[in-house]
Amino acid sequence: AQKVTQAQTEISVVEKEDVTLDCVYETRDTTYYLFWYKQPPSGELVFLIRRNSFDEQNEISGRYSWNFQKSTSSFNFTITASQVVDSAVYFCALSGETDSWGKLQFGAGTQVVVTP
Amino acid sequence: DGGITQSPKYLFRKEGQNVTLSCEQNLNHDAMYWYRQDPGQGLRLIYYSQIVNDFQKGDIAEGYSVSREKKESFPLTVTSAQKNPTAFYLCASSNPGGSTSTDTQYFGPGTRLTVL
Repeated sequence: AQKVTQAQTEISVVEKEDVTLDCVYETRDTTYYLFWYKQPPSGELVFLIRRNSFDEQNEISGRYSWNFQKSTSSFNFTITASQVVDSAVYFCALSGETDSWGKLQFGAGTQVVVTP
Repeated sequence: DGGITQSPKYLFRKEGQNVTLSCEQNLNHDAMYWYRQDPGQGLRLIYYSQIVNDFQKGDIAEGYSVSREKKESFPLTVTSAQKNPTAFYLCASSNPGGSTSTDTQYFGPGTRLTVL
């Protein structure tokens, strides 16, 4: 069975601080995909990144960066120099090859609160 | 503009009534999904459909029904059999057969259902 654990329920930071969100996953699949989504107060989930299990390169997109480590089954997300607009709930999700139609297993989410 | 629309944004229902939530997409995606989100929790899959006229139960299908008569539409009915229907409902779509962004699910803005 697939499982995603986001142990941090809420993280509070002051603007311009860096914040790292942890994501640990479990799967027996060899081929799988990991995702991060952002859910602002409006409610809509916004896709941030998709990474497949064969690509362990870290990725940077503006102030966002992702650290994928298969050895520890982790896919952590860092926001550098946080801004108030980063306040949202962030979800990590997993889709494995046994779910060929793309079923997503979500973590419980981490609430990020950025104060000015 | 391409995207996913859900209506209504807010919905109130009396106990014992069925209610239908609308989900439409113009992304030409084959697959569509319905998720339920409860406060402080991740998303749980209700139903999904890979192609027109076919759909499958997700993890929490009891008390819900769907139809997929058109590629762009995937309405969800919350029946009176659903014991605790008050929640935030999110619709998503993806294009598993596409050459890019395979299996990435894109989400609509959601419908917040409250049972009075």
